[in-house]
Amino acid sequence: KQEVTQIPAALSVPEGENLVLNCSFTDSAIYNLQWFRQDPGKGLTSLLLIQSSQREQTSGRLNASLDKSSGRSTLYIAASQPGDSATYLCAVRGGSNYKLTFGKGTLLTVNP
Amino acid sequence: GAGVSQTPSNKVTEKGKYVELRCDPISGHTALYWYRQSLGQGPEFLIYFQGTGAADDSGLPNDRFFAVRPEGSVSTLKIQRTERGDSAVYLCASSLGVGELFFGEGSRLTVL
Repeated sequence: KQEVTQIPAALSVPEGENLVLNCSFTDSAIYNLQWFRQDPGKGLTSLLLIQSSQREQTSGRLNASLDKSSGRSTLYIAASQPGDSATYLCAVRGGSNYKLTFGKGTLLTVNP
Repeated sequence: GAGVSQTPSNKVTEKGKYVELRCDPISGHTALYWYRQSLGQGPEFLIYFQGTGAADDSGLPNDRFFAVRPEGSVSTLKIQRTERGDSAVYLCASSLGVGELFFGEGSRLTVL
């Protein structure tokens, strides 16, 4: 059974800092990995999708990396802004059953 | 449609009642997922449709929960004899095959 862990559970940083969110998964036989953002009381917004054959994906100030063999992914946020404050969720899609398994998320607060 | 649409956005019901939650996926998306999210937790998988058929329903907690997608587009999640423990946000998502997953805003269910 796939298990996804996100560390830290919560993170508070001053505006302008670069930061890294971590995601680990127990079964490396994945199809892809997706990072999401969730604002309070809202649905999930897709940030980045990394296929199992890829090492990283970039979108603006966001960069996600994937090391499938070690079961790890990181989300790097450059020059953080207060508007980045949200919960960030990592999800892996199984290689055979295709369902997404989520971590519990990292609650990020960027202080002005 | 432009995005995944879920109705109702909020539903308050009494214990023992029957509830239906509706999901309109992005037009043309073949895969549709239902997840359930409790406060402070990551989304928990319930069921996944590929076309009209349930490809994986292993996440449905018991036989009070049932979901259909009769024409391969709109899906309805049905909960019989609701219990207080069913209170959560029910999230629907769709994708084109095994590509990027897009979520709706969710249906918040409260069972009194």
